[in-house]
Amino acid sequence: EDKVVQSPLSLVVHEGDTVTLNCSYEVTNFRSLLWYKQEKKAPTFLFMLTSSGIEKKSGRLSSILDKKELFSILNITATQTGDSAVYLCALNNAGNMLTFGGGTRLMVKP
Amino acid sequence: EPEVTQTPSHQVTQMGQEVILRCVPISNHLYFYWYRQILGQKVEFLVSFYNNEISEKSEIFDDQFSVERPDGSNFTLKIRSTKLEDSAMYFCASRGDRVMNTEAFFGQGTRLTVV
Repeated sequence: EDKVVQSPLSLVVHEGDTVTLNCSYEVTNFRSLLWYKQEKKAPTFLFMLTSSGIEKKSGRLSSILDKKELFSILNITATQTGDSAVYLCALNNAGNMLTFGGGTRLMVKP
Repeated sequence: EPEVTQTPSHQVTQMGQEVILRCVPISNHLYFYWYRQILGQKVEFLVSFYNNEISEKSEIFDDQFSVERPDGSNFTLKIRSTKLEDSAMYFCASRGDRVMNTEAFFGQGTRLTVV
């Protein structure tokens, strides 16, 4: 059974701090790993990672995948209060579905 | 920007009643999904749908659940006889074109409350 574990469960930082969110996984047939941001309702897509060692970057957010050690990290630099959300890691296997981790709840204080 | 839309945003129903949750996926997408998230828990896969049939379903998706694409735009989830434990946020998602490895886009969800 595919498994996704995220850490930490929650995190409180101040504006301007840098955070690193972790996602480790077990999978039978890996296709991709995705990061989503969930504020009040729908998960919104951040990144999709398929290859090891290639950093994906979007503004202050970046993510990288290690397929040998089976983990991914999501970095947020210079955090803002608008970054407060639950960040979800999801695994896309050779089937047709996403397996989600439990999420990391990030709170950024002014 | 195209988006997945879901209606209603919130539905309250009595235990034992049937509910239909509606979704309009992004128009050129071919793969459709339902996920649910019980309050405080993980997002869980229910079912995927492609080419007018279910392609995969989870253990949660038992005989009480069904999906349908009644026309070219809507994608529905029906729960035949709701139970208290069906209370959750239900998300519809859709994905790509013919390229399998693309991201799924989620709707805003329908919060189902069974009383």
